[in-house]
Amino acid sequence: KAGVTQTPRYLIKTRGQQVTLSCSPISGHRSVSWYQQTPGQGLQFLFEYFSETQRNKGNFPGRFSGRQFSNSRSEMNVSTLELGDSALYLCASSWGGGLNTEAFFGQGTRLTVV
Amino acid sequence: SQQGEEDPQALSIQEGENATMNCSYKTSINNLQWYRQNSGRGLVHLILIRSNEREKHSGRLRVTLDTSKKSSSLLITASRAADTASYFCAPNQGGKLIFGQGTELSVKP
Repeated sequence: KAGVTQTPRYLIKTRGQQVTLSCSPISGHRSVSWYQQTPGQGLQFLFEYFSETQRNKGNFPGRFSGRQFSNSRSEMNVSTLELGDSALYLCASSWGGGLNTEAFFGQGTRLTVV
Repeated sequence: SQQGEEDPQALSIQEGENATMNCSYKTSINNLQWYRQNSGRGLVHLILIRSNEREKHSGRLRVTLDTSKKSSSLLITASRAADTASYFCAPNQGGKLIFGQGTELSVKP
C-alpha cells in the first residue's frame, strides 16, 4: 500500500507570490490534515478535510486555505507569501471514520520564501 | 497553545540503554499518538493509545497513559543508534493532533 505522497518536495517562492501544495492520502483514507512545522513554533495544525468538507481549522490567517477533491486528494494554498511562511508543510492521512484512527504523515514539502 | 509538552527536551544515551520520554497535556483527549522524526523529514507513526487504555506495547516500545494526570510516557528498550531522532507526542483533541516541541534523542554507539 502506497504511503502519503506530497508534492513538490521542495519549493522556493518570492514574497507576495502564492503557492499550492498537494497531498495524496493512503488509498481508502478519507481524512487529510495539514500541519506547518517551523523551528520557532514547532508543529501547528492548519486544517482537516473529510469527504471534501473542512472539518477542523487551526489558528492561521485566511491566506492559508485548502480543499479536498472527491478522490480524497487535498491541496493547500497560501496566498501573498511572507518570509515567515517558510516552513515544512506536512500532510497527514487517516481513515477518519472515528476519533481513534491513526494519522500517517507524508515526507512534507519544504517551502522557502525569499 | 500547545497541548503536548515533552520532557526532557534532549536525551543522550549509550546503545543498549533504555530511553524514557514523558509527555503532558492540558485538556481531555480522544487518544494520544507518538511519532518519530529524523532530521526534519516526515513523521513516522509509532503508536496510538486510546483514552481508555493504560499501557500499550509495540516491539521495543512501551507507552503508558494516565488520563488522571494528563500524562503519557514512551519507553524505548535496548536502544540502537538508528533510534536517534526527535520524538513527539500528539494528543488528539477532537480530531486535531496538538504537538509539543519534542524530545531529541541521541543514541551513541
